[in-house]
Amino acid sequence: QQQVKQSPQSLIVQKGGISIINCAYENTAFDYFPWYQQFPGKGPALLIAIRPDVSEKKEGRFTISFNKSAKQFSLHIMDSQPGDSATYFCAASMNSGYSTLTFGKGTMLLVSP
Amino acid sequence: DTEVTQTPKHLVMGMTNKKSLKCEQHMGHRAMYWYKQKAKKPPELMFVYSYEKLSINESVPSRFSPECPNSSLLNLHLHALQPEDSALYLCASSQGDTAPLTQYFGPGTRLLVL
Repeated sequence: QQQVKQSPQSLIVQKGGISIINCAYENTAFDYFPWYQQFPGKGPALLIAIRPDVSEKKEGRFTISFNKSAKQFSLHIMDSQPGDSATYFCAASMNSGYSTLTFGKGTMLLVSP
Repeated sequence: DTEVTQTPKHLVMGMTNKKSLKCEQHMGHRAMYWYKQKAKKPPELMFVYSYEKLSINESVPSRFSPECPNSSLLNLHLHALQPEDSALYLCASSQGDTAPLTQYFGPGTRLLVL
C-alpha cells in the first residue's frame, strides 16, 4: 500500500514534443505529490508539486494533472527540450511530523534534438 | 535560498577506513534526512532526524552512524564499509512538522568503497 508505481521506465521524445510520465498510488493517506528531476551525478531537484485538493498545477512548461478518484497523477512537459533529458521521479508523502517520501522507480527521459 | 550543501563531493575509502559525510542547511528546517541512491534507482531512505532527534532508522547496518550536532548540521559516520555500500549518498531537509512538506536535496557525495 506504500508503493508508487511510475511509468514508463524510459521515454524518448523529439524536441518540441510533449513528454508524459504517469504515476499511481494506493495509500489514500498521501497528501502531497512532488516531482523531482535528477541529472546524472546530481541530487534530485524539486520540479513541481501538488496537493490532492487541486486537479492541475502548471509552472512554465511543466504541468501536473491529478485524479484523486483514480489515485493517479501525471507530469506533462510541453515543448520538450534536450536540456530536459534527465531522470524524473514522482513521489508521495503524508505529513507525520516530518515528510517521508515514497518514490516511484523513475523515468529516464531523452529528448532528441 | 533552498540550498543544502554536502561535503565531500567524492570519497574513496577502503573497507577498514573511517570517514564522515557532512551536510549543512541554513533554511531553518527542523527535519533532515540521509538517503542512499544506487544507479538507476530512486533514493532509499536511511535515517530521519526531526528536531535533532533520530526519528527513523530504516534498519541500516551499524557501520553507518548518523549524528545531528545541531539543527543545521547532519553527519554520517562510516566505518568498515563493504563494496556494496558504494553509492550516491544524499542529504535532504524539510521544514519539519508544518507544511509545505517539500524535501530539498543536496548534490550528494559519490562514495566508492574498495
